[in-house]
Amino acid sequence: EADIYQTPRYLVIGTGKKITLECSQTMGHDKMYWYQQDPGMELHLIHYSYGVNSTEKGDLSSESTVSRIRTEHFPLTLESARPSHTSQYLCASRDLFQETQYFGPGTRLLVL
Amino acid sequence: AQSVSQHNHHVILSEAASLELGCNYSYGGTVNLFWYVQYPGQHLQLLLKYFSGDPLVKGIKGFEAEFIKSKFSFNLRKPSVQWSDTAEYFCAVNGPGGYQKVTFGTGTKLQVIP
Repeated sequence: EADIYQTPRYLVIGTGKKITLECSQTMGHDKMYWYQQDPGMELHLIHYSYGVNSTEKGDLSSESTVSRIRTEHFPLTLESARPSHTSQYLCASRDLFQETQYFGPGTRLLVL
Repeated sequence: AQSVSQHNHHVILSEAASLELGCNYSYGGTVNLFWYVQYPGQHLQLLLKYFSGDPLVKGIKGFEAEFIKSKFSFNLRKPSVQWSDTAEYFCAVNGPGGYQKVTFGTGTKLQVIP
């Protein structure tokens, strides 16, 4: 059982609000990822991190930002939420030697 | 850029039927290949993976997948599905070699009818 957590699980928020999606893992993995997933679509990588103080943008352009101050914590922030941000956001961490990604339960975001 | 195609978006099978889900990727170099599964209400989790060696890999719960390099394919199979296999299945590719990102397919929803 992978130990990776995301909060909140569900969030409904109004346009223009600032939100932070939390992700934490207790496995000591250096590599962490944020994906965006819409129904019937592939997972799109929006951010990743190789370790503390390392963050990179992924393949899908996103207005969100991330930080990695601690190994176990990789929060994603939207400064001003818009309806186009409505989606499911999945956090994952990776075991370097097994190349396996472990996923959190996801956050379903609805922006009104 | 790497791309992954899963041809079946929604598959409905009766219990005991055989399953094959298609997966094709675009990059022809060294790749690592994965199938992930998401059961209803649960996290995405690894089903099986291929790095090198025997192109027929076996995963959990009786699933297997065959890597055919000439066809850029990594199809998932199970000889006899069960109701508990109802889930969404994602093919994923990590490559070219040393590349840190994993590219996922669009997923296939499998519904098994008792």
